[in-house]
Amino acid sequence: QLVLTQSPSASASLGASVKVTCTLSSGHSNYAIAWHQQQPEKGPRFLMKLNSDGSHSKGDGIPDRFSGSSSGAERYLTISSLQSEDEADYYCQTWGTGKNWVFGGGTKLTVL
Amino acid sequence: QVQLVQSGAEVKKPGASVKVSCKASGYTFTSYYVHWVRQAPGQGLEWMGIINPSGGSTTYAQKFQGRVTMTRDTSTSTVYMELSSLRSEDTAVYYCARGASWGQGTLVTVSS
Repeated sequence: QLVLTQSPSASASLGASVKVTCTLSSGHSNYAIAWHQQQPEKGPRFLMKLNSDGSHSKGDGIPDRFSGSSSGAERYLTISSLQSEDEADYYCQTWGTGKNWVFGGGTKLTVL
Repeated sequence: QVQLVQSGAEVKKPGASVKVSCKASGYTFTSYYVHWVRQAPGQGLEWMGIINPSGGSTTYAQKFQGRVTMTRDTSTSTVYMELSSLRSEDTAVYYCARGASWGQGTLVTVSS
């Protein structure tokens, strides 16, 4: 069964870097994912599509501070030079059979 | 640019139905599938289903089968999501989404 696992929370200091992790279930390590950001009281915003080889394509207007990488079944979102507006929930999402979407549980990022 | 504009907030009684619209612009409406995703208060993102605006074919998440109907009107580039037999647990923000673009969300409140 296709499942995405995320840590519920993460934190880092203003100006620092943070890496958010999304883990694909066994047998699905070659799947691409997408990262979405949801700031407080706002709707989701697409950040990037991230392939198994680490290549990624970002959405319009997404700052260079946001990048993605992959290792095996792990997919990472790295945010550098953290700003207060980066405090948000981050969701990974992938594509199942029949074009359905599968979401991870989300990671709440706190900027200290 | 791609825009998905949803209908306004709704308040419904248990057992009723709700129909949410999502009007697309900025791209060829029939060329891209549209997803529906919901988010209950304080919870994560939950995929509900997908519609192909070209032929109208649909795929629904098992959880919603029998209660959800997704349709489209190609003359107005609008997709619709109707959820029936509403219960309090259906209180959520409902989003339409297409690839890297999300609608602004529609709050549906189910209360007696």
